[in-house]
Amino acid sequence: DQQVKQNSPSLSVQEGRISILNCDYTNSMFDYFLWYKKYPAEGPTFLISISSIKDKNEDGRFTVFLNKSAKHLSLHIVPSQPGDSAVYFCAASEVQGGSEKLVFGKGTKLTVNP
Amino acid sequence: EPEVTQTPSHQVTQMGQEVILRCVPISNHLYFYWYRQILGQKVEFLVSFYNNEISEKSEIFDDQFSVERPDGSNFTLKIRSTKLEDSAMYFCASKVGVPTGELFFGEGSRLTVL
Repeated sequence: DQQVKQNSPSLSVQEGRISILNCDYTNSMFDYFLWYKKYPAEGPTFLISISSIKDKNEDGRFTVFLNKSAKHLSLHIVPSQPGDSAVYFCAASEVQGGSEKLVFGKGTKLTVNP
Repeated sequence: EPEVTQTPSHQVTQMGQEVILRCVPISNHLYFYWYRQILGQKVEFLVSFYNNEISEKSEIFDDQFSVERPDGSNFTLKIRSTKLEDSAMYFCASKVGVPTGELFFGEGSRLTVL
């Protein structure tokens, strides 16, 4: 039961270019979405989030776009830097439904080449 | 910067043994969580804890699992009789409040059941 799907297990981009990581979800009750970054041997680190009442949220080089009708969100990183190389997880929750849990995708491994 | 700390970083145990994983959440946080990641799979929610009781748990969190906040600082996950399939990285997380507070993760405790 994959409620949150990240269909690309890996992505490779050149330094300075844009990285676009995609995420799809199936549960229409999800109303809050987050992106986490994870380095090996470390816990996930929060990057950016977006509420379902918005379609875009920007924080420095990171922008998250939400398309509710398509049940799709994406994370844009521009310009990409080698230090951005990590596994990126999309996560979703049902805040209004009172659920505490985050449902994670399987992650996309981003490699930014110098 | 405050952080969630977890001990041990790695524990190896025999099947059927009890294991306790320990976490010290960030001091002003009120909501506490355990997640796990089996190697190569997605991060999965186990349990959330607020006001000294479980607020939500997943199907994975069966009677073999329990959580406790014994002294106002530690937050523990106990597995009473470990199984091979319990081998995973276990992440503790905490946040200040709901509904949309950022979840801070610890670095994880790797459990290997032989």
